[in-house]
Amino acid sequence: QVQLVQSGAEVKKPGASVKVFCKASGYAFISYYIHWVRQAPGQGLEWLGRINPSGESTAYTQKFQGRVTFGRDTSTSAVYMELSSLRSEDTAVFYCARGGASYDLDYWGQGTVVTVSS
Amino acid sequence: QSALTQPASVSGSPGQSITISCSGTYSDVGSHNLVSWYQQHPGNAPKLIIYEVTKRPSGVSYRFSGSKSGNTASLTISRLQAEDEADYYCCSYGGRSTWVFGGGTKLTAL
Repeated sequence: QVQLVQSGAEVKKPGASVKVFCKASGYAFISYYIHWVRQAPGQGLEWLGRINPSGESTAYTQKFQGRVTFGRDTSTSAVYMELSSLRSEDTAVFYCARGGASYDLDYWGQGTVVTVSS
Repeated sequence: QSALTQPASVSGSPGQSITISCSGTYSDVGSHNLVSWYQQHPGNAPKLIIYEVTKRPSGVSYRFSGSKSGNTASLTISRLQAEDEADYYCCSYGGRSTWVFGGGTKLTAL
């Protein structure tokens, strides 16, 4: 079955960077986009961008352009999201999700809590 | 791109039907029949319940249905049950490889 398993919780200081990993299994890794979505405490879902694991092309929402980077490792069927210049407002749960054939997000990881605090 | 507009909250009694609206623009909801809906219970990851405006993934109850008119999509839940109490989010493809979510709607089953 399709599974996306994310790396564990992180605590970072303001100004630092964080890397969150998402390991896929149960399907052809290079055949589907992976999206990244942020959810601040008590807030809604916010689309950060997506990566095509096949050719590593990426698309980012304008708000995070220049501060977020996506990458992939086909040997381990994993993608990562790196967010730099962290500030307290970046404290959130970050989800990876598979991009379905119908432009939806059909399978989701369990979420990774990132806490930014001095 | 700006978030899609959803009501912050809706409520209904068990057995009733409720509808959640999702308003966008011609650039996203209006231009593409690529609206999806997600259900999120507290502490859990979102779950896809509607895709391509009207289609249900396997295993999703028939009580969930979607529609679209112009720049506004809607999710209807019929025969409301206590377990439907959750947050609901719409999402639309916005063109040029971008996606946008709605702000979310908290559904309370009275």
